[in-house]
Amino acid sequence: GNSVTQMEGPVTLSEEAFLTINCTYTATGYPSLFWYVQYPGEGLQLLLKATKADDKGSNKGFEATYRKETTSFHLEKGSVQVSDSAVYFCALRAGGYNKLIFGAGTRLAVHP
Amino acid sequence: SAVISQKPSRDICQRGTSLTIQCQVDSQVTMMFWYRQQPGQSLTLIATANQGSEATYESGFVIDKFPISRPNLTFSTLTVSNMSPEDSSIYLCSVEGSDGGTDTQYFGPGTRLTVL
Repeated sequence: GNSVTQMEGPVTLSEEAFLTINCTYTATGYPSLFWYVQYPGEGLQLLLKATKADDKGSNKGFEATYRKETTSFHLEKGSVQVSDSAVYFCALRAGGYNKLIFGAGTRLAVHP
Repeated sequence: SAVISQKPSRDICQRGTSLTIQCQVDSQVTMMFWYRQQPGQSLTLIATANQGSEATYESGFVIDKFPISRPNLTFSTLTVSNMSPEDSSIYLCSVEGSDGGTDTQYFGPGTRLTVL
């Protein structure tokens, strides 16, 4: 079946450090891939997405590239800020289905 | 993207009671979704609600426990019935919109439910 695996958190970084949150997936066909962010006490916000192999999604300094050969969609940011502290969810939407399948989420804590 | 609101934002309820959560969207949408996020966990889809038809429930969720209404294209409700402490979760509604040609789900702020 379809599934998403994320690196376990929490991830703790100092401000301006480089961030990578790993995400790999299992899916039939060619899924669309998403990163959502959940700030403390809030709902989910779409951060970025990619719909086909080699697409790069980007937003607010975050990037992720759809790698079909490694079935991965790792989230990266070159210089994190304290305001980036949140839980990050990787998700997929398999072709022909509306259902989003989420990873377990990775909590990021950025310290000054 | 659509603007989605939910009521209530949070509630504390007694075991055995029921709570109805409302989801309002600022534009007409075909598909609405209800998710549950248990404490410290990821999101799990409860059901998909299309206007004019019965909701479609995921495995492990039943209509008697989570009845859903979808009276029009901008509104839906989810009821959590006969609650127990295990129902303490954040309940989120989402809608599907087109973002640059891609079907994308947008989420409401969630309803944080605590059952005592």
